[in-house]
Amino acid sequence: GESVGLHLPTLSVQEGDNSIINCAYSNSASDYFIWYKQESGKGPQFIIDIRSNMDKRQGQRVTVLLNKTVKHLSLQIAATQPGDSAVYFCAENIRSGSNYQLIWGAGTKLIIKP
Amino acid sequence: NAGVTQTPKFRVLKTGQSMTLLCAQDMNHEYMYWYRQDPGMGLRLIHYSVGEGTTAKGEVPDGYNVSRLKKQNFLLGLESAAPSQTSVYFCASSYWEKIGSWGTGELFFGEGSRLTVL
Repeated sequence: GESVGLHLPTLSVQEGDNSIINCAYSNSASDYFIWYKQESGKGPQFIIDIRSNMDKRQGQRVTVLLNKTVKHLSLQIAATQPGDSAVYFCAENIRSGSNYQLIWGAGTKLIIKP
Repeated sequence: NAGVTQTPKFRVLKTGQSMTLLCAQDMNHEYMYWYRQDPGMGLRLIHYSVGEGTTAKGEVPDGYNVSRLKKQNFLLGLESAAPSQTSVYFCASSYWEKIGSWGTGELFFGEGSRLTVL
């Protein structure tokens, strides 16, 4: 079946550098994408979302880019800080009738090097 | 605001035992979900509810039952636990405001319940 996947399971970044976390999706019917952050021992926390009629969306220190041509989205974190250490999940929204279903990727672990 | 609260946080069961996980949210959300999270895998939806008195199956519903008798509570039951159900379970809730034809996807998660089945 179709699923969301991530290119890299672990990403190590120097503190202060920018981080780019990638995500591939395969369901052409997906109309909405979300990034979540999960810190150790906690539940996932919403970061940012983007709809399929957009190419880019910015938040505080984060930017999500969506390339529908190659079914790829990325999460960019500017000036990475130790508090950014976490597992990052992308999820795609698939509509089924009047209901919505989120399909989650396996996650990318972001490690910050001092 | 407590947000989403799960109890218990940890539990060890023997094969064949039963148990119930309780999820409570104080945000007046219509939608509630139960997910399981296993190492190296994304969250997988077990069951969900779109409102009080309603439940629906997710991706991996076998071996689990749920009930939503009150809007703020969503219970996940294991009737006869199996080692394959060893996992971390997350409850979430959302409001799914509809703007035009879109919904918003912000789910609010609990802290998780770690279940071990021996």
